[in-house]
Amino acid sequence: DTGVSQDPRHKITKRGQNVTFRCDPISEHNRLYWYRQTLGQGPEFLTYFQNEAQLEKSRLLSDRFSAERPKGSFSTLEIQRTEQGDSAMYLCASSYNDRANTEAFFGQGTRLTVV
Amino acid sequence: SQKIEQNSEALNIQEGKTATLTCNYTNYSPAYLQWYRQDPGRGPVFLLLIRENEKEKRKERLKVTFDTTLKQSLFHITASQPADSATYLCALPGYSSASKIIFGSGTRLSIRP
Repeated sequence: DTGVSQDPRHKITKRGQNVTFRCDPISEHNRLYWYRQTLGQGPEFLTYFQNEAQLEKSRLLSDRFSAERPKGSFSTLEIQRTEQGDSAMYLCASSYNDRANTEAFFGQGTRLTVV
Repeated sequence: SQKIEQNSEALNIQEGKTATLTCNYTNYSPAYLQWYRQDPGRGPVFLLLIRENEKEKRKERLKVTFDTTLKQSLFHITASQPADSATYLCALPGYSSASKIIFGSGTRLSIRP
């Protein structure tokens, strides 16, 4: 297993366009997280999945954002009608959670630039 | 609401010295606390986890303390090296849901030769 994989690594889009990012977690991991990070800030929680169920979504996530994890494997994050304020690094992480383990493994991120 | 505070100013120290980074949190008592390292343009990498019943944990040149009374964790790197230069993030389980991980804003550490 090569770790958490995100695609694409970079995306430049025009304001108003829709974009979709993909995350492939470590295969045996049951939890998958999406974060957004801007320069000089820590990762900001967006949403997470336990297997295929989306258990929590940040109230910072507007209706333009949607995430899915069909079959509890890979996940996609879609942003509709992008705005310049959406420009950020979007990070995906996965973990196998039980009482002993909570460590999250991160992908390299997708850097989104909205022009 | 839950708050995690880390030194927003960068920390610059001489190679060989001990670097100490601080993480303060408010408004609840987490069962554990994690530290991550992040290099520019890359995702965070897990370093250490310390549980509420542990006062101190060590891993090679790293040492973490967890004071649940002060609501504070200290992260130490001994015999620091230029390769230790990075941003270090403190992370806690969420207050409303322990299943999510909430990060501080991070402290940028620079080790000069």
